[in-house]
Amino acid sequence: AQKVTQAQTEISVVEKEDVTLDCVYETRDTTYYLFWYKQPPSGELVFLIRRNSFDEQNEISGRYSWNFQKSTSSFNFTITASQVVDSAVYFCALKETSGSRLTFGEGTQLTVNP
Amino acid sequence: EAGVTQSPTHLIKTRGQQATLRCSPISGHTSVYWYQQALGLGLQFLLWYDEGEERNRGNFPPRFSGRQFPNYSSELNVNALELEDSALYLCASSLRWWGRYSNQPQHFGDGTRLSIL
Repeated sequence: AQKVTQAQTEISVVEKEDVTLDCVYETRDTTYYLFWYKQPPSGELVFLIRRNSFDEQNEISGRYSWNFQKSTSSFNFTITASQVVDSAVYFCALKETSGSRLTFGEGTQLTVNP
Repeated sequence: EAGVTQSPTHLIKTRGQQATLRCSPISGHTSVYWYQQALGLGLQFLLWYDEGEERNRGNFPPRFSGRQFPNYSSELNVNALELEDSALYLCASSLRWWGRYSNQPQHFGDGTRLSIL
């Protein structure tokens, strides 16, 4: 069965610091998809980034970047020059091709202090 | 483009009652998903509907049920409410899940907070 683990329960940084959120996953599928979502205090889950298991390149999108390491089953997410508005709970999620449900990690509460 | 909309925002019920939660997907999305976010339990998959059919359900009892209408909107019904049903219920929608759409992200609504007294 699939599983997603986010070992960091809470992270606190000062504005403008870079911060990396860790995610480790387990799956038996050879093709799968990984996502990061942000949940601000208002409650809605906001889609941030997506990664296909067959894509080898790591990418940067604005202040967001991600490091996908298939060999270690990790999908880490970095926010560069953090801002107070980045404060939220961040969820890593896995979707296998054999189904459509998302399996979420436990979430990491990020607090960015001014 | 309008996002996923859910109603009501808050719902207060007592034990044993029935609750109905509603969701309208993004225009063009045919798949609708329901998730429960209960305190201490994280985000748990509840139900998935596509083209009016229930395609998959999570590890929840039968008193959690729903349906999808011809316009792709969806309802989640929870019968015989229990205290532990208190949670934020999130609805999401996506383009069709198979083939070239397999990697499409699910887009979430603001949720319905269900409180059981």
